[in-house]
Amino acid sequence: DGGITQSPKYLFRKEGQNVTLSCEQNLNHDAMYWYRQDPGQGLRLIYYSQIVNDFQKGDIAEGYSVSREKKESFPLTVTSAQKNPTAFYLCASSGQGGDTQYFGPGTRLTVL
Amino acid sequence: QQPVQSPQAVILREGEDAVINCSSSKALYSVHWYRQKHGEAPIFLMILLKGGEQKGHDKISASFNEKKQQSSLYLTASQLSYSGTYFCGTEVSNFGNEKLTFGTGTRLTIIP
Repeated sequence: DGGITQSPKYLFRKEGQNVTLSCEQNLNHDAMYWYRQDPGQGLRLIYYSQIVNDFQKGDIAEGYSVSREKKESFPLTVTSAQKNPTAFYLCASSGQGGDTQYFGPGTRLTVL
Repeated sequence: QQPVQSPQAVILREGEDAVINCSSSKALYSVHWYRQKHGEAPIFLMILLKGGEQKGHDKISASFNEKKQQSSLYLTASQLSYSGTYFCGTEVSNFGNEKLTFGTGTRLTIIP
């Protein structure tokens, strides 16, 4: 079955530690995205990538980093520089930028 | 700039109708509608392209008013399964490298 997987579903980390969230898709999509969602709020774009080895900052990129070495994979690292990292993180992909986006199940990160 | 959704929340009895609006201050190329259940990934509902078209399936439809830069989502004879938070995502050009900007969402609660 084609789709997007994110792991882990729940993640707990101590303050000051970097953590990497996984996102994999087998839809053969060129574009991939990372969003952050806080309670009662919409989806805010962190980073996006239209093609392998290239990515752009979204609206709230500070304290985050990404890589796109393979078409299928777009991992997100939440660094210790992110002041309030506790949130629900969603990964999405689309055929091209602006096409319908398909979302993964999300990772809920809690920093203690 | 983030599109504005209204209302922020609405409670309906099963069988009643609802309208959710999404307005932008920028000229839009497309509007995407998603529904999200609590703690789950957003699910794509439909996309409307510039041109003022109306689309729909089953009892959920949407329109796009190009003059007003506004899209409306119509849910008729609402069912319990329609409960969730509805998001619009807007795209301002069709160059194929655009990202979506999401509104803050409208929480819809259907009660028996």
